[in-house]
Amino acid sequence: GENVEQHPSTLSVQEGDSAVIKCTYSDSASNYFPWYKQELGKRPQLIIDIRSNVGEKKDQRIAVTLNKTAKHFSLHITETQPEDSAVYFCAASIGGFQKLVFGTGTRLLVSP
Amino acid sequence: GAGVSQSPSNKVTEKGKDVELRCDPISGHTALYWYRQSLGQGLEFLIYFQGNSAPDKSGLPSDRFSAERTGGSVSTLTIQRTQQEDSAVYLCASSLETGFHNEQFFGPGTRLTVL
Repeated sequence: GENVEQHPSTLSVQEGDSAVIKCTYSDSASNYFPWYKQELGKRPQLIIDIRSNVGEKKDQRIAVTLNKTAKHFSLHITETQPEDSAVYFCAASIGGFQKLVFGTGTRLLVSP
Repeated sequence: GAGVSQSPSNKVTEKGKDVELRCDPISGHTALYWYRQSLGQGLEFLIYFQGNSAPDKSGLPSDRFSAERTGGSVSTLTIQRTQQEDSAVYLCASSLETGFHNEQFFGPGTRLTVL
């Protein structure tokens, strides 16, 4: 069935380091890949997304890369700051529908 | 402008009771989604509405779960004969329906506790 795997489940870095979170998906028809950030007790919020017609997208300290052949995509955060600490979820669209399947989340902790 | 709102924010109920959870999407958003998030877990898709119709109900865990949407706006998720395993945060999201995937805006969620 449709599945998105996300790794690692937890990630601890020092302030200023880079963080990388990786996801793989199973549906070859997936064409939209958003990343959401969820702070403790808050709602998930979109931080960046990528569509299948591009291989990389960057927004300030955040970048996402997509490898459609291998069916995996990654989130890169550079120069991490304590306020980046949160749970990050990747997701992939399913076929031609609006449905998203989410990964299980990565808890990122940035220590000052 | 106003974001997605949900009510109640918290609901405590006894096992076997029915509950109704409400979602008010962003005005003009024709797509609406329900997710369930158990403690420390990811987001589990429940159902998706396009206007008032639900083309994908595949995520509903059992026939105790149902949802409806009227007037292309407010949606209600109903859980009948609640069980302890139904305890979770129920999140609603909405998005524009343009033929392409668009950002889903999430509500604050309803925390359901079944005693």
